[in-house]
Amino acid sequence: DAKTTQPPSMDCAEGRAANLPCNHSTISGNEYVYWYRQIHSQGPQYIIHGLKNNETNEMASLIITEDRKSSTLILPHATLRDTAVYYCIVRGVGGSQGNLIFGKGTKLSVKP
Amino acid sequence: DTAVSQTPKYLVTQMGNDKSIKCEQNLGHDTMYWYKQDSKKFLKIMFSYNNKELIINETVPNRFSPKSPDKAHLNLHINSLELGDSAVYFCASSQGGLAGETQYFGPGTRLLVL
Repeated sequence: DAKTTQPPSMDCAEGRAANLPCNHSTISGNEYVYWYRQIHSQGPQYIIHGLKNNETNEMASLIITEDRKSSTLILPHATLRDTAVYYCIVRGVGGSQGNLIFGKGTKLSVKP
Repeated sequence: DTAVSQTPKYLVTQMGNDKSIKCEQNLGHDTMYWYKQDSKKFLKIMFSYNNKELIINETVPNRFSPKSPDKAHLNLHINSLELGDSAVYFCASSQGGLAGETQYFGPGTRLLVL
């Protein structure tokens, strides 16, 4: 079972920042927080991941709380092409613990 | 350049048939995976496989068997297809199987069993 909780859906205006929350209160010290997204009819796409520190790449920023029990994915300037289901995943180390366990995700709708 | 490719993109077949889905990755990765996404859009791991170990999800029927001719390929063979096997199947690969190593997904194979 997924170890994360996300809102089922969110709306965001085009050009504004999209902030997608994720709760992972049972995360262990060696588990990473991963974010993937799935645009309609496509394979999941990696966005970003982190362990303890905040992370930023060309797609997004990941803010992880100090206690690591929650995180927020930030898309700084959402576009219509960012409409997708966003998955927050807690992933362990080694063997089957390294597998990605997808939950229901958040369906983000970016609107003009 | 396609990193992870799957064939066919669509597969329509009759119950009871045997079919295979092929997956190839050109990333030089050591670990490959098969996922199933059902009609409710839940995406679940089926297998992970590298040169050393096959990890099988215990909920996967033994009619499903992964076959890896080399580390760049992981094919999925399905025997005696059932209606409930209808789903989208995604292949993925990563450098290793540890956390911190990103998985890259293929475009999916849409299987419809009639």
